[in-house]
Amino acid sequence: QVQLVQSGPEVKKPGASVKVSCKASGYTLTSYDLNWLRQATGQGLEWMGRIDPYSGKTGFAQKFQGRVTLTRNTSISTAYMELSSLRSEDTAVYYCARGEVRYNGMDVWGQGTTVTVSS
Amino acid sequence: QSVLTQPPSASGTPGQRVTISCSGSSSNIGYNSVYWFQQLPGTAPRLLISRDYQRPSGVPDRFSGSKSGTSASLAISGLRSEDEADYYCAAWDDSLSVMIFGGGTKLTVL
Repeated sequence: QVQLVQSGPEVKKPGASVKVSCKASGYTLTSYDLNWLRQATGQGLEWMGRIDPYSGKTGFAQKFQGRVTLTRNTSISTAYMELSSLRSEDTAVYYCARGEVRYNGMDVWGQGTTVTVSS
Repeated sequence: QSVLTQPPSASGTPGQRVTISCSGSSSNIGYNSVYWFQQLPGTAPRLLISRDYQRPSGVPDRFSGSKSGTSASLAISGLRSEDEADYYCAAWDDSLSVMIFGGGTKLTVL
């Protein structure tokens, strides 16, 4: 079946970077945009950015511009989100989600990856 | 503070019909599609309504979406205990060039 499987939980210190992976199965990674979102505990959803896995073209929310890097490895059907200069406010569950966000929405979601930033 | 405004809570008894509102502006709901997501406790969000009113495969027809101007609504009829969840509306915002979400509505089935 179509699914996105994310990497496991991470604990990082302030100032460090974290890289989360998202492996697609049941469909071709390059056929759909891949979005990244996050949700702090008890809070709402926040869209961070997207990548077109076919071209590698990316787009970001201005808030994350310069701090987020989105990449992909099509040979292993996996996309990556790297967030740098971590601070405590970045503690959240990070999700990948498939879909052209503006016109089609996000129809398949990963299970989420908890990233904890603590000294 | 969310750009899309939702009531923080809603409730109903089994079998009832409840609606959840989502208010935005001309830069988001007014010109772009609205999406609704359901998030059960401890799980990832699930797409419930696409392009204002379309139900993805597998979503029961008890769920319906509508839009008028800069506001949208999600209606749930024949309320069931398993509908107890957080519901989020979302739309692309042309001014901010981001996907924006409402703050979420916690639905309680009494």
